[in-house]
Amino acid sequence: EPEVTQTPSHQVTQMGQEVILRCVPISNHLYFYWYRQILGQKVEFLVSFYNNEISEKSEIFDDQFSVERPDGSNFTLKIRSTKLEDSAMYFCASSELGLENADTQYFGPGTRLTVL
Amino acid sequence: AQRVTQPEKLLSVFKGAPVELKCNYSYSGSPELFWYVQYSRQRLQLLLRHISRESIKGFTADLNKGETSFHLKKPFAQEEDSAMYYCALFSGGYNKLIFGAGTRLAVHP
Repeated sequence: EPEVTQTPSHQVTQMGQEVILRCVPISNHLYFYWYRQILGQKVEFLVSFYNNEISEKSEIFDDQFSVERPDGSNFTLKIRSTKLEDSAMYFCASSELGLENADTQYFGPGTRLTVL
Repeated sequence: AQRVTQPEKLLSVFKGAPVELKCNYSYSGSPELFWYVQYSRQRLQLLLRHISRESIKGFTADLNKGETSFHLKKPFAQEEDSAMYYCALFSGGYNKLIFGAGTRLAVHP
């Protein structure tokens, strides 16, 4: 069964550094998402992406964050200048349908980001 | 406001006991609700969604619009059901899932 994959599984970085988290969504899916979960807190939506543009973003997703689909398979989340509070587990997800059509979102295993 | 509430952080039961994991939601439109499960060291995976109305691994959930609830139930818990369970609401206008805080289910032998 196809799965969403994410790399790396764990990223450690210094405050102020840029990080890129990578995801490979399921191949026939058209909608892509990033969520994050700070330790001990709930899973929070960051951004959704469809047709090569952001369809929705949360207030967490400020100018320090960006997403890109650089080729036909990868979907990346970039944090330009990391802060201590960016330390969290970041989940990528994809779905076949979206927007007004609720569809199952399939999640990757997550990338644990630790900012020192 | 769109919100999902799971009031219990931890639910501890013995094997064979019935289980009910509570979920309440706040949503102005017609809700689409999901239960996701996360076993130890594994990814979030869909357990069930209300429109499919099927039973997965013995779990069922019924949408009660009057009580704005979508509680997850299983008549006889198994040790392998021990996991973190998240209730989620799909916000169609915003193309995102809104998660509850999660309930850890611990099933003891």
